[in-house]
Amino acid sequence: GESVGLHLPTLSVQEGDNSIINCAYSNSASDYFIWYKQESGKGPQFIIDIRSNMDKRQGQRVTVLLNKTVKHLSLQIAATQPGDSAVYFCAEMGGSGTYKYIFGTGTRLKVLA
Amino acid sequence: KAGVTQTPRYLIKTRGQQVTLSCSPISGHRSVSWYQQTPGQGLQFLFEYFSETQRNKGNFPGRFSGRQFSNSRSEMNVSTLELGDSALYLCASSLVRSGGYNEQFFGPGTRLTVL
Repeated sequence: GESVGLHLPTLSVQEGDNSIINCAYSNSASDYFIWYKQESGKGPQFIIDIRSNMDKRQGQRVTVLLNKTVKHLSLQIAATQPGDSAVYFCAEMGGSGTYKYIFGTGTRLKVLA
Repeated sequence: KAGVTQTPRYLIKTRGQQVTLSCSPISGHRSVSWYQQTPGQGLQFLFEYFSETQRNKGNFPGRFSGRQFSNSRSEMNVSTLELGDSALYLCASSLVRSGGYNEQFFGPGTRLTVL
């Protein structure tokens, strides 16, 4: 499959541990955020989203935290599994009506057996 | 429900040629966005279409263009190809909701190689 990014920051986590992936976003006016997972040879896959009027949202095994004060987003994955190995991107949308997403550079998650 | 489909999946062209890529959104999705993904630049927004109208455009030269048809299918065209246009081109479709908060669903991409 394609190499998504040759020089991405990498997070290595033991199988079964929790993972935390961080993202700093750029626009203080951004009011909608999405986390994506991209496996080799595939397009990004939607994981979870959050609006700026929230600071936390939970999904199945995933939690997104939003800190608007410092423009920071994090994705927590509970009980990380080998299938979670991928590149993770955060994306911000700069206000309703901009119809444009800005993606972070991505973090490669490696799950160690 | 079928996902976003993109054709072709792989394409090899030479410098100076032009190329057209196609995207079929998820049924019922009327917004289609295009992105270029490269190892060096990451995911870069190209443009977004809704109801056959381009609503936003990224910072790409005029060689990159697109359009959307009445059935929401979209095409993007790159003219006078350069080596640096080699990339994975991704299409994403959205179900437009009130308030403008749209989950984007991506297709598998078209891998373009320019020789």
